[in-house]
Amino acid sequence: EVVLTQSPATLSASPGERVTLSCRASQSVSNNIAWYQQKLGQAPSLLIFRASTRASGVPARFSGSASGTDFTLTINGLQSEDFAVYFCHQYDAWPLWTFGQGTKVDMK
Amino acid sequence: QMFLQESGPGLVRPSETPSLTCTVSGGSVRSYDHYWGWVRQSPGKGLEWIGSGFYSGSTYYNPSFRSRVSISVDTSRNKFSLELESVTAADTAVYFCVCGRSYGYGSTAVYYGLGFWGRGIRVVVSS
Repeated sequence: EVVLTQSPATLSASPGERVTLSCRASQSVSNNIAWYQQKLGQAPSLLIFRASTRASGVPARFSGSASGTDFTLTINGLQSEDFAVYFCHQYDAWPLWTFGQGTKVDMK
Repeated sequence: QMFLQESGPGLVRPSETPSLTCTVSGGSVRSYDHYWGWVRQSPGKGLEWIGSGFYSGSTYYNPSFRSRVSISVDTSRNKFSLELESVTAADTAVYFCVCGRSYGYGSTAVYYGLGFWGRGIRVVVSS
């Protein structure tokens, strides 16, 4: 099973800041990584797939990157609506897809 | 825009086999470009991938669930379903139906993440 380790568990930031979330895979997953945003009481929502491709309708302040088994989600200019939990997801190891444990972005 | 909505029992007794259904609107399960799946979320285990079905009839399951789970795609009613056998308290979770784009199916397909999610249905297993 591919284990995805997200860090930090919680990130405190202020509106307007640039924040970086990390997701490390325990083995190669090519670039088959997605990022999701989940707000309290809601389902996750797809932000990024293929490590760096924004999903339809996702603001340009969200970007993804990859370096080997390390994946990063960056939010440039944090907005009030961005305070949420973010999950990474690998869909390379078929059929055992796995998710990270999440990073909560809260207001400083 | 595709919408998914889960339905099913919110409270289940241990050892029962609940069935959850996902109604699809704004799209069709008769699509070779999509896959239809289930994910669950619990405080203890986080998000867990359960499995998926395709219009072709193929189904694939997380090995952790393989012996207990069944996913079916109902093309006549534009729905898909999940059955989970012999549930225990450990199966208490919010269950989401999901849909994603794909090119092909199975291990050789190209996938594009989970683009559509239902709102989720909380299933509690308790006597």
